[in-house]
Amino acid sequence: EVQLLESGGGLVQPGGSLRLSCAASGFTFSDHYMDWVRQAPGKGLEWVGRSRNKANSYTTEYAASVKGRFTISRDDSNNSVYLQMDSLKTEDTAVYYCARWVVRADYFDYWGQGTLVTVSS
Amino acid sequence: DIVMTQSPLSLPVTPGEPASISCRSSQSLLHSDGYIRLDWYLQKPGQSPQLLIYLGSNRASGVPDRFSGSASGTGFTLKISRVEAEDVGVYYCMQVLQTPRTFGQGTQVEIK
Repeated sequence: EVQLLESGGGLVQPGGSLRLSCAASGFTFSDHYMDWVRQAPGKGLEWVGRSRNKANSYTTEYAASVKGRFTISRDDSNNSVYLQMDSLKTEDTAVYYCARWVVRADYFDYWGQGTLVTVSS
Repeated sequence: DIVMTQSPLSLPVTPGEPASISCRSSQSLLHSDGYIRLDWYLQKPGQSPQLLIYLGSNRASGVPDRFSGSASGTGFTLKISRVEAEDVGVYYCMQVLQTPRTFGQGTQVEIK
């Protein structure tokens, strides 16, 4: 059974940093692209960024709203993808989901349960 | 960025009746391979989003056949042939042609 489990959320002050983790199980993690999607309280979904697999050189992509502040990395040996969030702003407050991407068919087939990040003084 | 616009934003529905949600993209979502790069997701209350439709009209595994997706130019439609109580939640269209991937605002479907 495919499972994605996010962790690391919490309360952080503006300008601070936080690192989210997404632990994957039930599939060959190294084969897959992994994305982060967020949802501000009571709002819609916003794509944050992507980590491609080894076959695609582990390249990453980011939304303009987080580029230069957020960094996605992965550890295939630990079946995990990470979201390092620096210079956090109040508008980064959201539930952060990791999601597995299916290449060529182009969709998210599995999502984690999400972890809440609150940026507030 | 490709802008996705959904309508309506709120949709009261009657069980057993059909329902339809529209989504429009600011530019074509037609890939060079001939397939439309448009997905539909449903976020049920308190849950993570789940895939309903991919490539514009393909039902995901396990999705009831009362759900269907169609496309015409830059307009896309999600139809529910007969709404059931378990279909309540927020429906999102998402373009997956270009980076950044972008979602529609969401359509809240609720039972009348």
